[in-house]
Amino acid sequence: ETGVTQTPRHLVMGMTNKKSLKCEQHLGHNAMYWYKQSAKKPLELMFVYNFKEQTENNSVPSRFSPECPNSSHLFLHLHTLQPEDSALYLCASSQEGRSGVTDTQYFGPGTRLTVL
Amino acid sequence: AQKVTQAQTEISVVEKEDVTLDCVYETRDTTYYLFWYKQPPSGELVFLIRRNSFDEQNEISGRYSWNFQKSTSSFNFTITASQVVDSAVYFCAFVSSSNTGKLIFGQGTTLQVKP
Repeated sequence: ETGVTQTPRHLVMGMTNKKSLKCEQHLGHNAMYWYKQSAKKPLELMFVYNFKEQTENNSVPSRFSPECPNSSHLFLHLHTLQPEDSALYLCASSQEGRSGVTDTQYFGPGTRLTVL
Repeated sequence: AQKVTQAQTEISVVEKEDVTLDCVYETRDTTYYLFWYKQPPSGELVFLIRRNSFDEQNEISGRYSWNFQKSTSSFNFTITASQVVDSAVYFCAFVSSSNTGKLIFGQGTTLQVKP
C-alpha cells in the first residue's frame, strides 16, 4: 500500500448504529487530519493530530470521536449520527515541523457516508 | 480573517481550449503557503502544487501553469490544451505559518471538458 488509504470506501448506517472509519498513512508523516466534505460546501477541517496528540477539534459534535493510536493510524468513531452528517470524510497526513514549518497534506480517497 | 475565494463555480470548455481557474486569498500574515488540489469523480484530492509566499516565480508543469501575484493576492491556475481527463473539481487552499496544518479551502471550481 502506498500513500493514504481509507476504509471503508462506502458506508451506509442508521442513526442508532455505531461504526468506525479507518485511515492509514504509509508516508512516514507525523500529523493526520479528518475533513468533512458536504455537497455545496467547502472542505471542513474536523480534527488534527500532531505527534499523536490532538491539537485541533473544530467544534465537532461529540457523536464524532477521533482516535490516533500511533502516527500511522487514525480512526473516526461514529455513533447516533444524523442524516445531515452524510458526507465524504477525507483523511490526510503531512510532515509538520515543531518550528511551525508546514508541509503538504496528502489525502486519502475518502469514505462516502450515508446516514439513513 | 483568512479566506480563499474561487469565484468560478463551474466552467465548461471544449477539448483543446485553454482554461484559467481563479483563486484569491486574504491574509495579514507574511509567511504562508498556497496549494492547488484536483478532485476527480473518484473523490480523492490529488496534490498539484505548493508555493510559499516568498516565491512569486511562476511555474509550468506540462500543460499546467500557475501565476502567483502577491500584489493582487491571487494564485491562478491555467490548463493549456485541456483534455477530457482534466474534468474534475479543483480546489485552491491556503495555510499560514502561524496556523500550521490548518488548510483553508476555497469552494472549488468544477471544470467540465467536453470532447
